[in-house]
Amino acid sequence: SQTIHQWPATLVQPVGSPLSLECTVEGTSNPNLYWYRQAAGRGLQLLFYSVGIGQISSEVPQNLSASRPQDRQFILSSKKLLLSDSGFYLCAWSTGPTDTQYFGPGTRLTVL
Amino acid sequence: GQNIDQPTEMTATEGAIVQINCTYQTSGFNGLFWYQQHAGEAPTFLSYNVLDGLEEKGRFSSFLSRSKGYSYLLLKELQMKDSASYLCAVLPYGNNRLAFGKGNQVVVIP
Repeated sequence: SQTIHQWPATLVQPVGSPLSLECTVEGTSNPNLYWYRQAAGRGLQLLFYSVGIGQISSEVPQNLSASRPQDRQFILSSKKLLLSDSGFYLCAWSTGPTDTQYFGPGTRLTVL
Repeated sequence: GQNIDQPTEMTATEGAIVQINCTYQTSGFNGLFWYQQHAGEAPTFLSYNVLDGLEEKGRFSSFLSRSKGYSYLLLKELQMKDSASYLCAVLPYGNNRLAFGKGNQVVVIP
């Protein structure tokens, strides 16, 4: 069966510091991978989408970036965090672009 | 773009039935998903509708009317563990980007 992991589970970072969140998927090959952010009182916002290694689509221009160095690894990064980057970051995978998306446990980021 | 509307909160009694509505406006349609999200946790998949009609999965059922841009999730025999936010998400045709509503918070009381 497929499993999806994210780490860290929680993170508190100062404004201006860098960020690296990691997501890995097990039990499937060539998944579609997604990064979402859920801010308090708001819906899930799609940040990045990847259909394969090195292929990243950015949905919202901002100070975040994503990379997919391996088939089942998806990384979310920032060089300098802003207060507005606080939120619940969720990684998800699907078999194909129109298939059900399954979410990882999430990372709760607080920027102070 | 997509416009997805869900009521924000409802309270229901244990053992009761609750219906959660979702209306959407989208250019093209390729399916609608319902997710359950407990406080502080990730969303978990509940159901998927792409054709008109009712899909039943145990205590949960989901209905879709594409012509009306409308779906509902029906929760039967409510249990305390059903207290959660229920997210409606629409997959538009052509861009493959799931668009989520803000969710409907259901509070189950004894």
